[in-house]
Amino acid sequence: GAVVSQHPSWVICKSGTSVKIECRSLDFQATTMFWYRQFPKQSLMLMATSNEGSKATYEQGVEKDKFLINHASLTLSTLTVTSAHPEDSSFYICSASNQEKQETQYFGPGTRLLVL
Amino acid sequence: AQKITQTQPGMFVQEKEAVTLDCTYDTSDPSYGLFWYKQPSSGEMIFLIYQGSYDQQNATEGRYSLNFQKARKSANLVISASQLGDSAMYFCAMRVPPYTGTASKLTFGTGTRLQVTL
Repeated sequence: GAVVSQHPSWVICKSGTSVKIECRSLDFQATTMFWYRQFPKQSLMLMATSNEGSKATYEQGVEKDKFLINHASLTLSTLTVTSAHPEDSSFYICSASNQEKQETQYFGPGTRLLVL
Repeated sequence: AQKITQTQPGMFVQEKEAVTLDCTYDTSDPSYGLFWYKQPSSGEMIFLIYQGSYDQQNATEGRYSLNFQKARKSANLVISASQLGDSAMYFCAMRVPPYTGTASKLTFGTGTRLQVTL
């Protein structure tokens, strides 16, 4: 149980394009999903917290217009990197928590984004 | 502010030996949770073990145990009988408020890269 998927697993795009990353909880309802960013050989940095049916809460320094988050259902959250630039290249990981066990986050496999 | 410190950037251990990965934390909140995650080269974050601040006993999950020393604010991960497949990055994390109603955010340490050798 508690499986989280992400799609795509990797993506290469041209500078200026937008990229959408999906995060799905496959066998549970995720009232809250989190989006993290990880640079090579570094730790995970929380970007935003996404609650189903409401606006995401962004961490300080994260541009909400740059990183659009939508949590339209209890099993799906999307992160859209708008007008991507090379500095947006990174590993993006989502996690999800269910109502019964909110203290534990289950992570997706991550998405590697390379912006050329 | 909450902070997690992992002072070991890299560790080596021989197969079948036990290894301890260090983690210290800092928080003024009496209620908190501590986690360990494993990240292999594929990138996925695998949940290993959880310890609540009010838990009386140290958490254990198979070959993983958490040496929780509350007074020292340490939550070291002990891996017994290391296997080659244990080679990965290991992250210590702490749950930060708010806790009620919605899931909590996590703050992560910088990680320790464990290499298991023959």
